[in-house]
Amino acid sequence: GQQLNQSPQSMFIQEGEDVSMNCTSSSIFNTWLWYKQDPGEGPVLLIALYKAGELTSNGRLTAQFGITRKDSFLNISASIPSDVGIYFCAGTDSWGKLQFGAGTQVVVTP
Amino acid sequence: GAVVSQHPSRVICKSGTSVKIECRSLDFQATTMFWYRQFPKQSLMLMATSNEGSKATYEQGVEKDKFLINHASLTLSTLTVTSAHPEDSSFYICSATKQGYEQYFGPGTRLTVT
Repeated sequence: GQQLNQSPQSMFIQEGEDVSMNCTSSSIFNTWLWYKQDPGEGPVLLIALYKAGELTSNGRLTAQFGITRKDSFLNISASIPSDVGIYFCAGTDSWGKLQFGAGTQVVVTP
Repeated sequence: GAVVSQHPSRVICKSGTSVKIECRSLDFQATTMFWYRQFPKQSLMLMATSNEGSKATYEQGVEKDKFLINHASLTLSTLTVTSAHPEDSSFYICSATKQGYEQYFGPGTRLTVT
């Protein structure tokens, strides 16, 4: 089956710094979604990408759907303490199922 | 909006008993609902896909007789963990789709089997 690799596994950054994470796949995905999960909560949808090459922003978040449809990145600019959490990429495969990356743990220090 | 609720948020049960978890889409009708399981520090694993009025489709390795899914309406799906054992202890999360591929997740249910 398709494998979705997310990196980095964790990031320790200072408040105000930018954050970048990415996901790659061995096969093509039809959509890319980025979620944030706080401890003990369900994931919250941040950005959805539907077209290859699409670049979408949501406040301080920017994500892109790679041209090859096998990768996507998420950037967070000027991080703040509430950005702490686990960020998951997810891709929709050819069967319409959502596959998740392993997650990127973001820790923001003041 | 796209709000999904789950009930209960936490449940503790004894080994051998059954537990029912409800998933509701509050402000939309969900074409499809999904059930996931998440272990500590791990990603979400899809257990089954549920469409209103039809049988759920289970992922490989998920026992359908143990994890009973009922999708009675376009806003409600239930997951029943039957004859629960300690290894069933986990974080169970449902999601729902309005249209397209965007899945909106519930807050999760923490199940502890003693």
